[in-house]
Amino acid sequence: AQKITQTQPGMFVQEKEAVTLDCTYDTSDPSYGLFWYKQPSSGEMIFLIYQGSYDQQNATEGRYSLNFQKARKSANLVISASQLGDSAMYFCAMREVSYSSASKIIFGSGTRLSIRP
Amino acid sequence: KAGVTQTPRYLIKTRGQQVTLSCSPISGHRSVSWYQQTPGQGLQFLFEYFSETQRNKGNFPGRFSGRQFSNSRSEMNVSTLELGDSALYLCASSFNRDKYTGELFFGEGSRLTVL
Repeated sequence: AQKITQTQPGMFVQEKEAVTLDCTYDTSDPSYGLFWYKQPSSGEMIFLIYQGSYDQQNATEGRYSLNFQKARKSANLVISASQLGDSAMYFCAMREVSYSSASKIIFGSGTRLSIRP
Repeated sequence: KAGVTQTPRYLIKTRGQQVTLSCSPISGHRSVSWYQQTPGQGLQFLFEYFSETQRNKGNFPGRFSGRQFSNSRSEMNVSTLELGDSALYLCASSFNRDKYTGELFFGEGSRLTVL
């Protein structure tokens, strides 16, 4: 069964420090995509970064990078130089193909990140 | 470029009633999916529509249904509401170039309270 695990329910980080949010996944499908989303208190899910299972290099988007270790089935999000506005819930997600050739996204339980000034 | 628009943003219903939520995807996006978010269960996939066809469905009872129109707008309906249906319902659209890529762009959600 497909599964996303985020083992850090909450984290506190000092402003300007780097932070790593952990994510492990489980799938038997050789082709899949991994995502990270940010959800501020307003509720909207904001797309941060995407990594395809066949991508050779780790994805980067500005201050966000995804540390993709395929053999370990981990896809950790790294935020460099954290800012107060980074305080939010962060969700790791995976998209894979079901037997019916459709696709759906499954999400982890999330990590609440709080940035201290 | 306008984002994903969900209406209504907030609504209160009583048990036994039914509700319809609407989602307008980003222009050009043909895939629309729906998610239920609750504090206890987290984010759970409801269903996905692509070109007016339901492509996949999550593990929800038949009271939860949806449809997609030719302009890609989607609606979801919940009949015979129960207290446990109180949740944030999120809609997401995707250009969906292939089955594996295509990030989801979410709306701000419809927060349903069932009394």
